Amino acid sequence: RKEVEQDPGPFNVPEGATVAFNCTYSNSASQSFFWYRQDCRKEPKLLMSVYSSGNEDGRFTAQLNRASQYISLLIRDSKLSDSATYLCVVNRGSTLGRLYFGRGTQLTVWP
Amino acid sequence: EPEVTQTPSHQVTQMGQEVILRCVPISNHLYFYWYRQILGQKVEFLVSFYNNEISEKSEIFDDQFSVERPDGSNFTLKIRSTKLEDSAMYFCASRQGASETQYFGPGTRLLVL
Repeated sequence: RKEVEQDPGPFNVPEGATVAFNCTYSNSASQSFFWYRQDCRKEPKLLMSVYSSGNEDGRFTAQLNRASQYISLLIRDSKLSDSATYLCVVNRGSTLGRLYFGRGTQLTVWP
Repeated sequence: EPEVTQTPSHQVTQMGQEVILRCVPISNHLYFYWYRQILGQKVEFLVSFYNNEISEKSEIFDDQFSVERPDGSNFTLKIRSTKLEDSAMYFCASRQGASETQYFGPGTRLLVL
């Protein structure tokens, strides 16, 4: 079983739409969770960390369900600039920080 | 805003040649990483480096790979004898000790012919 599995998409949505991405992780010892964003042929950039209580950053809301080993990202009021690949990323809890990446979910927002 | 830098941005090499990829992590960061991403695939961990030694490496990081921090600023990845399957984007990342956030450099696109 893959360490991190994501809905591959692609998702094509109009501006202003709400879109949700899902992710599951296989290792129950995982401690830290993140959503990164990757533009075409660029480096991953941290979008937000994901906390057990859920957290929000502007139009972005992340949720974590440890029992189901499930992470989600909700984007409200999509903008053209949100078009990118969204990477679900997990750290098993090692202080050394090795990250495990999902393959990413591609989002295209059209005018 | 401080950022991780990498050179070169692109490198083309012949199979069997040695390549050195260079990274300058953010200056007050203590943990350093190399990841790679084969075209169309996920980002994969190669190695982490802390306190001047390798702290963890993946099964990808075999004897053909080595890392070094030759001075106080540079962090290098060497591939001794490149193979076709080494063609990928190589990302360097660094992290402050207190924070879990890893900051990635822009990557080096390596093409092995």
